[in-house]
Amino acid sequence: AQSVTQLDSHVSVSEGTPVLLRCNYSSSYSPSLFWYVQHPNKGLQLLLKYTSAATLVKGINGFEAEFKKSETSFHLTKPSAHMSDAAEYFCVVTQYGAGSYQLTFGKGTKLSVIP
Amino acid sequence: EPEVTQTPSHQVTQMGQEVILRCVPISNHLYFYWYRQILGQKVEFLVSFYNNEISEKSEIFDDQFSVERPDGSNFTLKIRSTKLEDSAMYFCASSERRTGNLEQYFGPGTRLTVT
Repeated sequence: AQSVTQLDSHVSVSEGTPVLLRCNYSSSYSPSLFWYVQHPNKGLQLLLKYTSAATLVKGINGFEAEFKKSETSFHLTKPSAHMSDAAEYFCVVTQYGAGSYQLTFGKGTKLSVIP
Repeated sequence: EPEVTQTPSHQVTQMGQEVILRCVPISNHLYFYWYRQILGQKVEFLVSFYNNEISEKSEIFDDQFSVERPDGSNFTLKIRSTKLEDSAMYFCASSERRTGNLEQYFGPGTRLTVT
């Protein structure tokens, strides 16, 4: 079975300061990991993905995430927050090779950016 | 850029009525999915579909749910007799293949309200 734990339900940062959204995963097989973002009244947009290539993954809008197998973590970071980053962020896992490609979502982290 | 579309954006129905939610996946994609997000909860997998049949379904996807690809472009989710607890945002997703590029592209969602 696979699962995802997003450690913070709400993170608040000031504009221009770093962002850290934490995610831990559990997977019996080699995982693929994703971060999706959902702006208010919008659909889910893929920010970045890890699929067993480089452990440091760069995504859109300056976000990046590092896959750490020893810590079973896939934290999302950005050096400098922008007002437009305010949204809900979902860490997602799927199990490559287990015959199942359903995505398992974390509960989400709401990011607020203070001017 | 190609995108997944969903109609309607918002559907209000009375308990016990049938609803059909429609999705148009990205044209060269072969795998299709439905997810739902009850207000305040995480996104949950419902069903995956490939080659005109269900490939995987969750416990949520019981006999009141069905999916269909009635023509070459649409992918539908039918709820036969809606219950109050079916009120949720329903997301359609599609992917090009199961291995290699595992990215699922999401539509903007249909908000279903059952009264």
